[in-house]
Amino acid sequence: DAGVTQSPTHLIKTRGQQVTLRCSPKSGHDTVSWYQQALGQGPQFIFQYYEEEERQRGNFPDRFSGHQFPNYSSELNVNALLLGDSALYLCASSQRTSGGFQETQYFGPGTRLLVL
Amino acid sequence: KQEVTQIPAALSVPEGENLVLNCSFTDSAIYNLQWFRQDPGKGLTSLLLIQSSQREQTSGRLNASLDKSSGRSTLYIAASQPGDSATYLCAVRHRHGNNRLAFGKGNQVVVIP
Repeated sequence: DAGVTQSPTHLIKTRGQQVTLRCSPKSGHDTVSWYQQALGQGPQFIFQYYEEEERQRGNFPDRFSGHQFPNYSSELNVNALLLGDSALYLCASSQRTSGGFQETQYFGPGTRLLVL
Repeated sequence: KQEVTQIPAALSVPEGENLVLNCSFTDSAIYNLQWFRQDPGKGLTSLLLIQSSQREQTSGRLNASLDKSSGRSTLYIAASQPGDSATYLCAVRHRHGNNRLAFGKGNQVVVIP
């Protein structure tokens, strides 16, 4: 059973460019959350997707957007990259119960983004 | 807003000593608390999850306690080994946060052989 997978593993971009990161959830999971982890910091919640819609959002600007596909995989897009966007981007998946609650999240290995 | 603090930020211990890592949080209305391990440049590995109704969880040499009323959790690692060297992150899930996790900055641990 494959866990959460992310691609690419590493990425280098320059300021002003746009980037797309990808995540495939653990088998049986329908919800994907994205986190940003700057060097020496704890992960910060960006947003969460299920049923192909953004359901929750953290304190991130509109330059950060996402998408969820019918197969539950997800993309994180960041436009107009800034130096401060350099970080490890983590994807986590979970399963929403019939009562509307989310089960425990499982994290992927992350994508390391460097903005020059 | 939930604030999670972990102290100490970094520590080094000789192999064989017990490790004690502390986590505090400001809002006691949590659903659960989770401890993760992170190796340099890697993702997160879940170690222990404590539900808000529980006082502690144990897995092998790891034991985590939770005092929700005082907003504290402690992770104990018995008889530390060099392979325990990593960053340990504490994360809380708010009762009404629908799975959003609030993380501390982590405890960076080095176990000296």
